[in-house]
Amino acid sequence: DAKTTQPTSMDCAEGRAANLPCNHSTISGNEYVYWYRQIHSQGPQYIIHGLKNNETNEMASLIITEDRKSSTLILPHATLRDTAVYYCIVRVAASNTGKLIFGQGTTLQVKP
Amino acid sequence: GAGVSQSPRYKVAKRGQDVALRCDPISGHVSLFWYQQALGQGPEFLTYFQNEAQLDKSGLPSDRFFAERPEGSVSTLKIQRTQQEDSAVYLCASSSLTGSNEQFFGPGTRLTVL
Repeated sequence: DAKTTQPTSMDCAEGRAANLPCNHSTISGNEYVYWYRQIHSQGPQYIIHGLKNNETNEMASLIITEDRKSSTLILPHATLRDTAVYYCIVRVAASNTGKLIFGQGTTLQVKP
Repeated sequence: GAGVSQSPRYKVAKRGQDVALRCDPISGHVSLFWYQQALGQGPEFLTYFQNEAQLDKSGLPSDRFFAERPEGSVSTLKIQRTQQEDSAVYLCASSSLTGSNEQFFGPGTRLTVL
């Protein structure tokens, strides 16, 4: 699975959009971009995933560049409860094992 | 509840003791994963089951670590002769083989080896 690079930490004002970048320049054609987040003292939580088209669900939007070498997770109206570590992961969706390879992630601090 | 549950939530062991950590996946989920998360780090893969078959155990750090899922549902991660470096949060996740393959994680078991 391809490696990802994320900023170590970011701040965001409550009510504003949080834009979390991720670089995955070695991504393969059959690899998806997944985002998970981990709130303190909880297990990771799935947010969204995509292959090449932009995706949106009730939690967030995922914007993937045309060359697929980078992506941005957007939380449109961040709340204090969105404070967490956000992990960007690339993997084949239907791989034999499906294991997730987590990096260090981005610690997002939403401030009042 | 409908989520993944793990027990115990906290475990303190003396160095050299054996421990057993339990995971109850979401009913009907074929895939089950164990991860280890050291303080301040992202989770690291340990092992994977598809039903009762352990298809990948490449992440188990030593032969002191053993996992089983005999009936394809509940899984147990056993650590023999615990060492201080085994102190971590042990996370279990389950998923179905269809759809997005998203993994649903339990709250984890925090193991502290003294």
